[in-house]
Amino acid sequence: KAGVTQTPRYLIKTRGQQVTLSCSPISGHRSVSWYQQTPGQGLQFLFEYFSETQRNKGNFPGRFSGRQFSNSRSEMNVSTLELGDSALYLCASSAPDRDPETQYFGPGTRLLVL
Amino acid sequence: GDSVTQMEGPVTLSEEAFLTINCTYTATGYPSLFWYVQYPGEGLQLLLKATKADDKGSNKGFEATYRKETTSFHLEKGSVQVSDSAVYFCALSEGNRDDKIIFGKGTRLHILP
Repeated sequence: KAGVTQTPRYLIKTRGQQVTLSCSPISGHRSVSWYQQTPGQGLQFLFEYFSETQRNKGNFPGRFSGRQFSNSRSEMNVSTLELGDSALYLCASSAPDRDPETQYFGPGTRLLVL
Repeated sequence: GDSVTQMEGPVTLSEEAFLTINCTYTATGYPSLFWYVQYPGEGLQLLLKATKADDKGSNKGFEATYRKETTSFHLEKGSVQVSDSAVYFCALSEGNRDDKIIFGKGTRLHILP
């Protein structure tokens, strides 16, 4: 069974631009969560989607948004990029009806904002 | 709120040494506990987990026991290898409708040949 995939793997943007990252969960997984990883703050929860609905949200500004499609694929968008948004963005999927607490992570998208 | 505290690194050991990475947690309920590992340039991989008190998770020679009385979930391995060099994250999940995982800061492990 294929794992979680994320595209693109690397991205360079400039301040003020916006960016969209994509995540394809493991087949059959309907929950997708997003995390931001930085050296200073570590791993921080952004939001979680289940069946196209946002179920939970972390403490990030409204510039960070996401959505989920009917095939469970998810995208996250960051508008008006700031230097501090440079990070590794990780996506994780899970199957809440079978194993609600175990999340499987993708390789991440490394975003550099110049 | 819930939180996870793990020992700061980096931890440097020689090959075949015994490893312990300490992890303690605070939680309002009865969380599930996890250890994730991140190899250089990769995402996180689930290493092991335990869902209730006194459960022992194990995988690839690593073990951790869910200790409710001390709110701890220390990671141990009897004989480390160079290939174990990575960053290790202790984490918890309340397992309710809230699916988010709360991670510790991570401990970088270097194994010398």
